[in-house]
Amino acid sequence: ETGVTQSPTHLIKTRGQQVTLRCSSQSGHNTVSWYQQALGQGPQFIFQYYREEENGRGNFPPRFSGLQFPNYSSELNVNALELDDSALYLCASSLYRGYEQYFGPGTRLTVT
Amino acid sequence: SQQGEEDPQALSIQEGENATMNCSYKTSINNLQWYRQNSGRGLVHLILIRSNEREKHSGRLRVTLDTSKKSSSLLITASRAADTASYFCATARLEQAGTALIFGKGTTLSVSS
Repeated sequence: ETGVTQSPTHLIKTRGQQVTLRCSSQSGHNTVSWYQQALGQGPQFIFQYYREEENGRGNFPPRFSGLQFPNYSSELNVNALELDDSALYLCASSLYRGYEQYFGPGTRLTVT
Repeated sequence: SQQGEEDPQALSIQEGENATMNCSYKTSINNLQWYRQNSGRGLVHLILIRSNEREKHSGRLRVTLDTSKKSSSLLITASRAADTASYFCATARLEQAGTALIFGKGTTLSVSS
């Protein structure tokens, strides 16, 4: 078990709604990354935050946004939900420029 | 886009047998990592091998890396039912503050007793 926690565990939303997912980093880690994992696929990098700023982004539209707080916890916000947004959302914490990432248990989002 | 491709997609073996899964990637790398995922939950880091290393061991795990062929393999010896999981290779793309992991689609391993 890593020290990374995520909430909620499961979430059901309707198309067009907005959702906020939360992540608490492992103690001592200052960088948070978010990944989307569709069923049967590997995780896809969404973006990464360091010192409360976005540092690096994958191929995701602007309706995916995030925040990082001074205590290094983070939020992932998704606006105008689409059916294809249904997935497991994983956050991972790491040290600055560290290669190994420590993943939380994920939030399962279902969009109907 | 996904960098690595694992092979096979699925593998079924008996307890005590060895399991080998392979990963191919496309671009030059600094390191390659293997992760494990149980039942669609969070990923657990297994092992990291740097581009200047050819082989690395950790317990029952053995990882090889061939940068000329852009491929890696993960060997799990003396498999146990508890090894049943999905295994992913990941390469690291260096971002400003850290790294973005680029994953393959994974190999699903089933170990039966």
